[in-house]
Amino acid sequence: DGGITQSPKYLFRKEGQNVTLSCEQNLNHDAMYWYRQDPGQGLRLIYYSQIVNDFQKGDIAEGYSVSREKKESFPLTVTSAQKNPTAFYLCASSMGDRSPYGNQPQHFGDGTRLSIL
Amino acid sequence: GQQLNQSPQSMFIQEGEDVSMNCTSSSIFNTWLWYKQDPGEGPVLLIALYKAGELTSNGRLTAQFGITRKDSFLNISASIPSDVGIYFCAGRLRVQGAQKLVFGQGTRLTINP
Repeated sequence: DGGITQSPKYLFRKEGQNVTLSCEQNLNHDAMYWYRQDPGQGLRLIYYSQIVNDFQKGDIAEGYSVSREKKESFPLTVTSAQKNPTAFYLCASSMGDRSPYGNQPQHFGDGTRLSIL
Repeated sequence: GQQLNQSPQSMFIQEGEDVSMNCTSSSIFNTWLWYKQDPGEGPVLLIALYKAGELTSNGRLTAQFGITRKDSFLNISASIPSDVGIYFCAGRLRVQGAQKLVFGQGTRLTINP
């Protein structure tokens, strides 16, 4: 089945440690996104990528880094500079602006819950 | 920045009742999306709206793209227990040459059997 796979489902970070969240999609989507969700709030955009080897900062990029070496993969690293990393992280993908089918909805993975030890 | 005001924040209803929620903004959007999120899972797309005034149904769900392009509503008829969850609206607009999705804060729906 086509879809978006996030791993792990739960992740624990120690102080001063970098952790990487995985996101893989087999939908052949050009665009991929990372969001952060805090309790009782909507989703906030961390980073997005419209095409391989290109990515842009979202609204809350500080303390995070990404890479887009393959179309299918868009890993997110939560660095030690992110002082409040405890949240639910959601990855999404869409056909993206560059596609003739632009303006298509984003589809989400099942999320990774990150907590601090 | 762009903001969406989603209301109500929470709803407590009896099974079988109809539900209505809406999102408003001062910004103009070119697409409205409605998602449902179950605990510990990612949002699932319910309805996508692409034209001002568009009214779209998906089973018991009906959503409309406001004529001013600044608002949208979602109605659920004859609610059932599996409708429980958090509903998010999302509006898409073009910012600095890229499509950006802005999310509402969510409406938490609880159903009393």
